[in-house]
Amino acid sequence: KQEVTQIPAALSVPEGENLVLNCSFTDSAIYNLQWFRQDPGKGLTSLLLIQSSQREQTSGRLNASLDKSSGRSTLYIAASQPGDSATYLCAVSEITLIFGTGTRLQVFP
Amino acid sequence: DGGITQSPKYLFRKEGQNVTLSCEQNLNHDAMYWYRQDPGQGLRLIYYSQIVNDFQKGDIAEGYSVSREKKESFPLTVTSAQKNPTAFYLCASSLLAGRYNEQFFGPGTRLTVL
Repeated sequence: KQEVTQIPAALSVPEGENLVLNCSFTDSAIYNLQWFRQDPGKGLTSLLLIQSSQREQTSGRLNASLDKSSGRSTLYIAASQPGDSATYLCAVSEITLIFGTGTRLQVFP
Repeated sequence: DGGITQSPKYLFRKEGQNVTLSCEQNLNHDAMYWYRQDPGQGLRLIYYSQIVNDFQKGDIAEGYSVSREKKESFPLTVTSAQKNPTAFYLCASSLLAGRYNEQFFGPGTRLTVL
C-alpha cells in the first residue's frame, strides 16, 4: 500500500532563506505528484503538479522535482517570505490522491 | 467566478444526529471527492464520484453517505453511525477522474460533535 512521508514535520526559518521540503513515497508506480499549500483553517491550494514523465515543474519562486526511481520529490522555495508561512502537503496520484502529513513552515521577518 | 464552494463553514452536531455537508462546483468537472482531515494526519478519502449517479467508497467510508444527482453537486451526509465525526472536511474536484488529473479543493467545513 502506498505511503507518503514528508520531512521535516515543521520548519522555522528567517526571511530570505532558500528552502527544501521533502516528500517520499513507497511505490514508484505513480502517475503524478501534486504539491499543495494549506493556510490554517482553510482549504488546499494547488501549487504544482508533476506528471510521472516529467522531472520538474516551476512556478515563480517554487520549483518541484520528481525522482520516481528513488521515490522522492522536493519542493524548493527561493527567497522565502513571511507570506510563505503555511503547511505544505504533497500527494501522489493513483485513482485518487494519497497525502503525506505535511510540513508546517514558518518564515519570520 | 469559478470554483468550489462548501457550506456551512462551521457545523455542530449533537450525538445521534445526521448532518449534511454541501459541496458545489461550477468548473464543469466530472469527478468529485470528499476527504477528511484530522490534526497531525494527512487527508483521507471518504468517497469519490467519477460521473453523475455513480460513486465509490474510499478508505474511510463507514458512517458516511453521498449522492451525485447533479454534475455540480456532491453532498456528504455524516450519519449517527460515524463514531468520531469531529474533523475538517474537504471537497475536491477534477476535470476527469483518473490518475493524471489535477484536483482542486474547496475551503472546507469544520464539523464538531457536541
